[in-house]
Amino acid sequence: AQSVTQLDSHVSVSEGTPVLLRCNYSSSYSPSLFWYVQHPNKGLQLLLKYTSAATLVKGINGFEAEFKKSETSFHLTKPSAHMSDAAEYFCVVSHSSASKIIFGSGTRLSIRP
Amino acid sequence: EAGVAQSPRYKIIEKRQSVAFWCNPISGHATLYWYQQILGQGPKLLIQFQNNGVVDDSQLPKDRFSAERLKGVDSTLKIQPAKLEDSAVYLCASSLVAAGGYNEQFFGPGTRLTVL
Repeated sequence: AQSVTQLDSHVSVSEGTPVLLRCNYSSSYSPSLFWYVQHPNKGLQLLLKYTSAATLVKGINGFEAEFKKSETSFHLTKPSAHMSDAAEYFCVVSHSSASKIIFGSGTRLSIRP
Repeated sequence: EAGVAQSPRYKIIEKRQSVAFWCNPISGHATLYWYQQILGQGPKLLIQFQNNGVVDDSQLPKDRFSAERLKGVDSTLKIQPAKLEDSAVYLCASSLVAAGGYNEQFFGPGTRLTVL
């Protein structure tokens, strides 16, 4: 069985400070993991994906995530937050054989000026 | 390249009425997905098509929801009759690769359904 837990429903940081959005997963198989971003009134957009290659994955807009199998985590980070990063972020787990795609409940990121 | 198109963008209906949503995926994308996103929650996969065949509909409430993808291109999702708890945003997505591999899903803007 697969599941994904986003540990924070809301994260607020000051502009220019680091961002950390936490995601833990459970999977009976070697998972594929993704982060999507959803800006208000816009469609979901892929930020980055892990598919069993390098454990440190770099995505768009300066975001990156590290796959840690021992901790079953795939946390999203960014060194310096920008006002335009304010959005909802979703962690997603999938496995090709299981053919299941599961979204986390989302983390709303707010940026303080 | 045109993105995933969905219509209508907004729909308000009374409970027990029926409603249909339409999706046109990106040209050439074999796989099409319908998701339900209730306010404050992540999207939940309702049904996944590969071409015009169903890959996964395990979370589709089949007593009231139906979906089809004739000719393996456009798709429609129907709810009949609607319930209050069906109020949500319905997202359509498409991707290049079919079941057996995961590729990036491209999402449409969604249809916001309100059931009164």
